[in-house]
Amino acid sequence: NAGVTQTPKFRVLKTGQSMTLLCAQDMNHEYMYWYRQDPGMGLRLIHYSVGEGTTAKGEVPDGYNVSRLKKQNFLLGLESAAPSQTSVYFCASSRGLAGEGEETQYFGPGTRLLVL
Amino acid sequence: AQKVTQAQTEISVVEKEDVTLDCVYETRDTTYYLFWYKQPPSGELVFLIRRNSFDEQNEISGRYSWNFQKSTSSFNFTITASQVVDSAVYFCALRPSWGGYQKVTFGTGTKLQVIP
Repeated sequence: NAGVTQTPKFRVLKTGQSMTLLCAQDMNHEYMYWYRQDPGMGLRLIHYSVGEGTTAKGEVPDGYNVSRLKKQNFLLGLESAAPSQTSVYFCASSRGLAGEGEETQYFGPGTRLLVL
Repeated sequence: AQKVTQAQTEISVVEKEDVTLDCVYETRDTTYYLFWYKQPPSGELVFLIRRNSFDEQNEISGRYSWNFQKSTSSFNFTITASQVVDSAVYFCALRPSWGGYQKVTFGTGTKLQVIP
């Protein structure tokens, strides 16, 4: 049981390049999330998914796209990377079921992205 | 809108000292959950505690204790007899009882340095 895994761990991009971050979970969770963490700030939600085939915007969605083709995977895409997207990206998952408040959100180890 | 304030940006203590990390929150929801997470230098996010707004009992787990005071909208975290391994960034977070983790708000974090 690996929990939540993220690929890659670290990446350097040039401005304008594209890339996809992969998040995988093996807990059969319905909900998955992508956050970014910047210095001096808490985590901010980029996009999330409440089930296979569904996605929704979070607090800071601009410049990112996501897909949830399989329940266990949640992909975050940067079509044209910008220096402002330099950040640490965290994926998370939770069982779901709104109102079932006692569930826990599980985080991946993070991906460090540097855009030059 | 909800808000989480961690006014202490950085704290340094000498090993074995006690330290309290402050968390003040704002919310219009009548029921909600409060969280603390630890982010050690390795970068991953470690879940520490979830507290339901219905439950104002303080909680103790080993050297960790949490003081939830609804009257002052605070959820403070105390580490007793601090150790070097406690050095990390600690995040407080809040979400309403309804809905999923897409509604969570994180504080900006408090960096704790425990000096040997």
